[in-house]
Amino acid sequence: EPEVTQTPSHQVTQMGQEVILRCVPISNHLYFYWYRQILGQKVEFLVSFYNNEISEKSEIFDDQFSVERPDGSNFTLKIRSTKLEDSAMYFCASSVGRAVYNEQFFGPGTRLTVL
Amino acid sequence: AQTVTQSQPEMSVQEAETVTLSCTYDTSENNYYLFWYKQPPSRQMILVIRQEAYKQQNATENRFSVNFQKAAKSFSLKISDSQLGDTAMYFCAFMNLPRGATSGTYKYIFGTGTRLKVLA
Repeated sequence: EPEVTQTPSHQVTQMGQEVILRCVPISNHLYFYWYRQILGQKVEFLVSFYNNEISEKSEIFDDQFSVERPDGSNFTLKIRSTKLEDSAMYFCASSVGRAVYNEQFFGPGTRLTVL
Repeated sequence: AQTVTQSQPEMSVQEAETVTLSCTYDTSENNYYLFWYKQPPSRQMILVIRQEAYKQQNATENRFSVNFQKAAKSFSLKISDSQLGDTAMYFCAFMNLPRGATSGTYKYIFGTGTRLKVLA
């Protein structure tokens, strides 16, 4: 069964460094999402992406964040200058379509630790 | 703003027993969907069950069923005949319908999760 994959599973970085989190969505899916979960807190929506542009972003998704689909298979989340509070589990998801009955399939997550 | 609350950070249940995970939510909307997702250790979140708010009948999927109380804004998950493979983090999630017919995102609002351990 096709799955969403994410790499790396754990990323450790120094504050101020740039990180790129990678996701490979399910191949026939058209909508892509990033969520994050700070330890002990809720899973929060960051951004959705469709047709090579951002559909919606949350207030968390500030200018330090960007997303792109560089090669038609990968979907990346870049944090330009990491802060301590960016430490979290980041989940990528994808869906076939936009509607609620199009289930979002999640990856296993990347744990980002900012020192 | 919509919120989802899961008040039980951890629970345990003996194999073959029944366990209920609680979830409450807050919204002023009338049209929405509710979900339970399961995340086994080091694995993806997978959808367990979904409930449309306009349906009065509680959703069931094999050993998983929900108790949806719309007026109380409560959405609990019952797992019957618990199995060792049910050990996981369980997330309750809410999804509002976007305002626009062709714009906006169907995005989840999650709770903090309940870690369930099934004991042999």
